[in-house]
Amino acid sequence: SQQGEEDPQALSIQEGENATMNCSYKTSINNLQWYRQNSGRGLVHLILIRSNEREKHSGRLRVTLDTSKKSSSLLITASRAADTASYFCATELDTGNQFYFGTGTSLTVIP
Amino acid sequence: DGGITQSPKYLFRKEGQNVTLSCEQNLNHDAMYWYRQDPGQGLRLIYYSQIVNDFQKGDIAEGYSVSREKKESFPLTVTSAQKNPTAFYLCASSISPESSYEQYFGPGTRLTVT
Repeated sequence: SQQGEEDPQALSIQEGENATMNCSYKTSINNLQWYRQNSGRGLVHLILIRSNEREKHSGRLRVTLDTSKKSSSLLITASRAADTASYFCATELDTGNQFYFGTGTSLTVIP
Repeated sequence: DGGITQSPKYLFRKEGQNVTLSCEQNLNHDAMYWYRQDPGQGLRLIYYSQIVNDFQKGDIAEGYSVSREKKESFPLTVTSAQKNPTAFYLCASSISPESSYEQYFGPGTRLTVT
């Protein structure tokens, strides 16, 4: 299966700390995207990084991509209680048209 | 407001009944998707459609059917052939299936079959 694997499965930190979660995948991709899901809700797109990019920033988010290791990381700096959610990576294969979602990291930010 | 709507939010059915989940978008997106999410799991693709009157099976299409008669609508029918239908169902759309575009998700429908 192409499905990505996020690591760790769950993460609990204090407000103000940084949160890092990782995603590994199996086959060549066009791009990798990170999504956020609040409990019982739909997913919200956070950031997209293409296969020829190594790092992208968006506000407090920093994403890296290492295609040689088939892995990506999402860093949330200066976390807030409102960042509490599940975070998923989604990979688009280089054959296109489909996204494969990972199993998610559940982040809890303690006020 | 632009976006994707799914209805109802909660749905209860008896085993053996077919049930149709609604998904509507007013974003003028070409591509639409249906995913299933089980507790503590990621999303798994059921069906997707790149254009009106066309759709393809995803990884777990067995026991499901879809139609795409209008660009705005992509209803999903969960049939009695689906062995474990209780799950959270998410509909999504993207502006185009041909490039690296983000997906916009609806709020989801939680289906419980007893």
